[in-house]
Amino acid sequence: GENVEQHPSTLSVQEGDSAVIKCTYSDSASNYFPWYKQELGKRPQLIIDIRSNVGEKKDQRIAVTLNKTAKHFSLHITETQPEDSAVYFCASRRVGGQNFVFGPGTRLSVLP
Amino acid sequence: NAGVTQTPKFRVLKTGQSMTLLCAQDMNHEYMYWYRQDPGMGLRLIHYSVGEGTTAKGEVPDGYNVSRLKKQNFLLGLESAAPSQTSVYFCASTLQGTRQETQYFGPGTRLLVL
Repeated sequence: GENVEQHPSTLSVQEGDSAVIKCTYSDSASNYFPWYKQELGKRPQLIIDIRSNVGEKKDQRIAVTLNKTAKHFSLHITETQPEDSAVYFCASRRVGGQNFVFGPGTRLSVLP
Repeated sequence: NAGVTQTPKFRVLKTGQSMTLLCAQDMNHEYMYWYRQDPGMGLRLIHYSVGEGTTAKGEVPDGYNVSRLKKQNFLLGLESAAPSQTSVYFCASTLQGTRQETQYFGPGTRLLVL
């Protein structure tokens, strides 16, 4: 079955710097890749997603890039702020699939 | 529009006791999911349903049962709780369709099995 690896497991950056989190998937039939943000004690919430027919998508300070050949996709956060501190999860879903496979998560800390 | 709700928010069980977690959504979503979240392991799928009256096993189904008698509700049952089932349980739902894949999560249920 599909396996999603995520790195790093923890990441600390200074406020204003950029943060990059990378995920690697194994199923070449995967075509949908969402990213979720989970603040402490809260539920995961979708922040951005990308489909396999595009290579990059941006939404203000966040962007996701996809490399289908290498089977990896990355989350980029620019101009980080303290409120970006959270656990970030990547996930994948295959064409026609009914469920998602999640990475283990990255704990991002933005230091003031 | 409440989205996805879960009952209860927190529960303590003794080993061997049973309980049912309730998930409800008011968005007319077809697909519903139960996940458990443990430190360092992300979200692992327990069971899911693609429509009323249907259920399917996920990655870690052992020790759990589910039912989807009504489209808006998805129940997760533990027949004989074990300490290994101590976790945070999240329910999620999504609208069927290739362009409607956003998963909406409930607030979670924190379960402690002693």
